[in-house]
Amino acid sequence: QKEVEQNSGPLSVPEGAIASLNCTYSDRVSQSFFWYRQYSGKSPELIMSIYSNGDKEDGRFTAQLNKASQYVSLLIRDSQPSDSATYLCAVNINFNKFYFGSGTKLNVKP
Amino acid sequence: GAVVSQHPSWVICKSGTSVKIECRSLDFQATTMFWYRQFPKQSLMLMATSNEGSKATYEQGVEKDKFLINHASLTLSTLTVTSAHPEDSSFYICSAGTSDPYEQYFGPGTRLTVT
Repeated sequence: QKEVEQNSGPLSVPEGAIASLNCTYSDRVSQSFFWYRQYSGKSPELIMSIYSNGDKEDGRFTAQLNKASQYVSLLIRDSQPSDSATYLCAVNINFNKFYFGSGTKLNVKP
Repeated sequence: GAVVSQHPSWVICKSGTSVKIECRSLDFQATTMFWYRQFPKQSLMLMATSNEGSKATYEQGVEKDKFLINHASLTLSTLTVTSAHPEDSSFYICSAGTSDPYEQYFGPGTRLTVT
């Protein structure tokens, strides 16, 4: 079983809609959770981090964490074509141990 | 956010030569740096984790004698691909870890082509 699982997609949403990206993780001692965005041919960019249960909002992005269900999600409101990218979920277990999911490709159609 | 630079951004080399890639944390001290490789349309693959002043920890299947990692200071780590072959052609990305909170920031990547 992989440490971090994501649906590879592609997830297609129309412009202006809410995109919902999901991620599950296997290790209950996971401490920190991250969402990265990776455009084709570029390196990943950190867009959200979340450390405690609940929601964390930053502009059009909302990260949701449920440690009991070992589930973390990213909502993108008012999706734009420029949001089209691969979104990577990452989990930090202890200090310098990070695990990445394989990513979900998001297509936002104009 | 924290800034990580990588140099060069792209390099073309002949088979059998060695290539060094530098990774620098510009505005923070990184106790830990990571090296990844990514082939087209594939996931990130962690190659090794390096801590300042100590030997790198390589992931299973990564040849430590081929991919030499040096983490000489809290702001600089280097990856040397020795005796490069065409199958080593890939996108190499470094990242640096901040502490408290533990977050990881990526450099822009180095595209290596071995001819």
